[in-house]
Amino acid sequence: DADVTQTPRNRITKTGKRIMLECSQTKGHDRMYWYRQDPGLGLQLIYYSFDVKDINKGEISDGYSVSRQAQAKFSLSLESAIPNQTALYFCATSGPPTGELFFGEGSRLTVL
Amino acid sequence: AQSVTQPDIHITVSEGASLELRCNYSYGATPYLFWYVQSPGQGLQLLLKYFSGDTLVQGIKGFEAEFKRSQSSFNLRKPSVHWSDAAEYFCAVRGMDTGRRALTFGSGTILQVQP
Repeated sequence: DADVTQTPRNRITKTGKRIMLECSQTKGHDRMYWYRQDPGLGLQLIYYSFDVKDINKGEISDGYSVSRQAQAKFSLSLESAIPNQTALYFCATSGPPTGELFFGEGSRLTVL
Repeated sequence: AQSVTQPDIHITVSEGASLELRCNYSYGATPYLFWYVQSPGQGLQLLLKYFSGDTLVQGIKGFEAEFKRSQSSFNLRKPSVHWSDAAEYFCAVRGMDTGRRALTFGSGTILQVQP
C-alpha cells in the first residue's frame, strides 16, 4: 500500500459543484500539504498543516479550503468549482529534519 | 522569499549522452535543496537532496547534483542517459532557518530521450 493515498484519482465535475479531495498517510508525519500542478507552472502550494491544530494558507489558497481531521488525514475542498481549477492536485507529507516531501499519486480534477 | 528557476522548459538528449539540468535558487541563507522526478501519470519521487556537507550529492538512478553557493545553483547531472529517464524534473528549495516553511518548486524541465 502507498504511504500517501489520494482519493479520488480522477474526477470530472461541473462549474459550481462542491468537490472534496481526500488524503491519508501512513508515514506518521505531522506535516501535510496540498499542491496544485499546472503545465509549465510547476507545483504551487495551496495549504499546509504542521499539526492537527495548525493550518496555513499557501500561495494560491483562494477558492480552496482544507480540513485536518486527524494526524493522518488532510482533505482539500473546492466549495464552488470553476474551470480554472482544472488541474492535477498532489497531497504530500514531510518529516524532520530536512522536510523532504513524500507525495501521493495525484488527483486529476476537471471542471467543466 | 525563496524562489527557484529552472531555465530550460524542455531538453532532448540522445540515449547514452550526458545530461545536465539547471536549477538556480534565491534564498538569503543556506537552503535545503531537492530534485524530484515525475514520470508520466505518476507522483513525484525524490532523486536527491542537499542540506549540508559535501557539495556533490549522489542520488538514485545514477543522478548527482552539485551545490554551488557562489552561483546559487544546484544542477542535476547524469553521465549516461537511459530511455527510462524521460520524465519531468523539478528542483525545490526550503530554508534551513525557517522550519515552518514549505518547499518551493521550480516550473520543471521536461526531458525527452531519443533512441
